[in-house]
Amino acid sequence: AQTVTQSQPEMSVQEAETVTLSCTYDTSENNYYLFWYKQPPSRQMILVIRQEAYKQQNATENRFSVNFQKAAKSFSLKISDSQLGDTAMYFCAFASNTNAGKSTFGDGTTLTVKP
Amino acid sequence: NAGVTQTPKFRVLKTGQSMTLLCAQDMNHEYMYWYRQDPGMGLRLIHYSVGEGTTAKGEVPDGYNVSRLKKQNFLLGLESAAPSQTSVYFCASSRGRTGWSRTEAFFGQGTRLTVV
Repeated sequence: AQTVTQSQPEMSVQEAETVTLSCTYDTSENNYYLFWYKQPPSRQMILVIRQEAYKQQNATENRFSVNFQKAAKSFSLKISDSQLGDTAMYFCAFASNTNAGKSTFGDGTTLTVKP
Repeated sequence: NAGVTQTPKFRVLKTGQSMTLLCAQDMNHEYMYWYRQDPGMGLRLIHYSVGEGTTAKGEVPDGYNVSRLKKQNFLLGLESAAPSQTSVYFCASSRGRTGWSRTEAFFGQGTRLTVV
């Protein structure tokens, strides 16, 4: 079974600064996908960024980028130029390509962006 | 362009009552999922479906039943609600087939259920 660990329950960052959220996972599979989801106070789960394990290049999406270290099973999220609207809970998720697409989620990191 | 819609958004039940949560998606997705989210925890998979007429157990299926009679709908039932089922429930869907489209989930807005 896969596990996803987010070791930082809470983090804060000043507006316009950069913050990195950590995620590690455990799997014996070689073909899988990793995701970061954002959950603002509205409760809606929003996909932030995804990474295919077979791709060595780190995914980027505007101010969001990942540092994917496959050998270390690490998948961190970097948010640059933090904005007040980035305040949310962030979930790291693992999904196997061979297991009906089911996702395993970490327990989340609550990020607060301070003005 | 509704995406994934859950009904109801909030509900309070008494212990022993039954209810059904409805999830509807208009994206013609193959796969659908029900998760629960408890305070301080991530989402845990209750049941899922890989197509119309199919269902399967997830990580925490006890006390729940599901049905997928139509491709666009996925129902989650609680036959005899217990306080331990107080949670926020999320429905999600994914396109299915292969690769990332199978795994990228689109979520509903959640249902907050309280069992007293």
